[in-house]
Amino acid sequence: DSGVTQTPKHLITATGQRVTLRCSPRSGDLSVYWYQQSLDQGLQFLIHYYNGEERAKGNILERFSAQQFPDLHSELNLSSLELGDSALYFCASSVAPPLAGVMYFGPGTRLTVL
Amino acid sequence: AQRVTQPEKLLSVFKGAPVELKCNYSYSGSPELFWYVQYSRQRLQLLLRHISRESIKGFTADLNKGETSFHLKKPFAQEEDSAMYYCALSDVSGNTPLVFGKGTRLSVIA
Repeated sequence: DSGVTQTPKHLITATGQRVTLRCSPRSGDLSVYWYQQSLDQGLQFLIHYYNGEERAKGNILERFSAQQFPDLHSELNLSSLELGDSALYFCASSVAPPLAGVMYFGPGTRLTVL
Repeated sequence: AQRVTQPEKLLSVFKGAPVELKCNYSYSGSPELFWYVQYSRQRLQLLLRHISRESIKGFTADLNKGETSFHLKKPFAQEEDSAMYYCALSDVSGNTPLVFGKGTRLSVIA
């Protein structure tokens, strides 16, 4: 599958814990975006990386951080987890700006914080 | 700031009836508008973008800058159109990430 992949598919953890979500973009795509989808907030942009560098930040909490590695995969780190962090976390990739609007989404990671 | 509003959470129509999914936006720059769709158990995927002026799966959308709207339309709904539809906004430069509306669930009743 040459599409966007995300691992794990599901993650159940407890409050106060730390987790890492992983994303591999499509082959050739340099941009990676992270979005959080919760029931009442819809898709919220978190952060954008392009070729290893942070390009834009959205509504990302200080407890959250991300990075993009030289092989272009990206990780989203969520720490000191709270119940409200339970959501679907999507990764998307695109070739590069200015085609940022054409994004290819991964299947998402469903995080449940108990 | 960019904002996308989809006023309907759920829209139910009968098969063969016309469909219109509403989207309004707020943006001071030069907007580029998109519709993304998520079918059951599938990934979110691009349906159409206004600059392409295409008709995809019978859907069209016209950007109305005066009314700041980008409504999605289809003359005759099919059962396979049932899905979650998201309107999204970026800048024509492509240098701003997509901002999504909260989505409208379309249910086509046989």
